[in-house]
Amino acid sequence: EAQVTQNPRYLITVTGKKLTVTCSQNMNHEYMSWYRQDPGLGLRQIYYSMNVEVTDKGDVPEGYKVSRKEKRNFPLILESPSPNQTSLYFCASSLSGEGNTEAFFGQGTRLTVV
Amino acid sequence: KQEVTQIPAALSVPEGENLVLNCSFTDSAIYNLQWFRQDPGKGLTSLLLIQSSQREQTSGRLNASLDKSSGRSTLYIAASQPGDSATYLCAVTTTGTASKLTFGTGTRLQVTL
Repeated sequence: EAQVTQNPRYLITVTGKKLTVTCSQNMNHEYMSWYRQDPGLGLRQIYYSMNVEVTDKGDVPEGYKVSRKEKRNFPLILESPSPNQTSLYFCASSLSGEGNTEAFFGQGTRLTVV
Repeated sequence: KQEVTQIPAALSVPEGENLVLNCSFTDSAIYNLQWFRQDPGKGLTSLLLIQSSQREQTSGRLNASLDKSSGRSTLYIAASQPGDSATYLCAVTTTGTASKLTFGTGTRLQVTL
């Protein structure tokens, strides 16, 4: 089954404790991205990757890092989480970064930073 | 900068009614528009994708239209059912921004018995 898989689904952590949210897709997609969803603000892009070893900032990249060492994986790293990063996070993938292909989303990761 | 607006923010209808959800966007230079469904605590499920060259797409009881020049899309749901209750999101990919999706804040739909 074609899918985007995120882990963990739920995470509660303390301020400053580094964490990683994993994302994997099995569709051989080139383009992958991370979004966060906050009430009243909708979904906003954090980082994206056009292909292996090619990543770039989205609209709200502060406090986040990403890497793309393999085509299928695109982890989101919070080096020193803060309470304002409490949010619902989604990973997405598309066949290409040319803008005309369908996006597929993971099930989301609800992160709480206390 | 692309902005996407969805009206209404919330809608409650009795079962069996036909309904229309609206989406508008400020920059008509788009690659495509996607409608998603989001259930509470769940991910986003893609419902329909309309390419910029298309006028509409249909899937079962769902029909989405696109008027790119006026920056509008509608999602028509026929014969609504309680299982249709969810939040519906529209999103566009704008030319020059790779495959970045710009989302509206959604319409929360409740279909009552």
